[in-house]
Amino acid sequence: EDKVVQSPLSLVVHEGDTVTLNCSYEVTNFRSLLWYKQEKKAPTFLFMLTSSGIEKKSGRLSSILDKKELFSILNITATQTGDSAVYLCASIPGGATNKLIFGTGTLLAVQP
Amino acid sequence: NAGVTQTPKFRVLKTGQSMTLLCAQDMNHEYMYWYRQDPGMGLRLIHYSVGEGTTAKGEVPDGYNVSRLKKQNFLLGLESAAPSQTSVYFCASSYYHQGAETQYFGPGTRLLVL
Repeated sequence: EDKVVQSPLSLVVHEGDTVTLNCSYEVTNFRSLLWYKQEKKAPTFLFMLTSSGIEKKSGRLSSILDKKELFSILNITATQTGDSAVYLCASIPGGATNKLIFGTGTLLAVQP
Repeated sequence: NAGVTQTPKFRVLKTGQSMTLLCAQDMNHEYMYWYRQDPGMGLRLIHYSVGEGTTAKGEVPDGYNVSRLKKQNFLLGLESAAPSQTSVYFCASSYYHQGAETQYFGPGTRLLVL
């Protein structure tokens, strides 16, 4: 059965800290892994990773994929209170449906 | 572009009532999806569609039906609502091309079944 597991389930940090969120996956014929940020409403897209070892960056956020060890990490440096959210990891297995298999998410709280 | 929109935003139903949730996208995406999100459960796929006129079951399809009569719209129906269907429902859409299959989500519909 395809599954995605995220850790930790929740995390509380102070502004300025650096955090690392983890995502491991077991999916059939892996195609890609996606990270989303969810605040109060819809998940918003952050990154899509398909190749091992190639870091994707957007401002203070970065992510990398390890297809050998079947995991990905999301790093956030110099955290701000606006980074407080649930971070969702999802994987697309093989096939023509592009279905996403989601993890349960990591709740990040950044305190001033 | 409005992206993905959902109506209604919030609804309260009594057990046994029926309703339809509407999802619309203006990005010309081929694929559309309905998810439900419950605390501690993440997002779970209810039904999806890979094109106009086609639908398929996802992970948790029981108690729901869907239709995709037009490419831009994807409807989710609850025939006889149950309290277990209290949830937040998200619609999403994507292209089918590999490498461009990022899913874009609507703002969600919060449903309470009493």
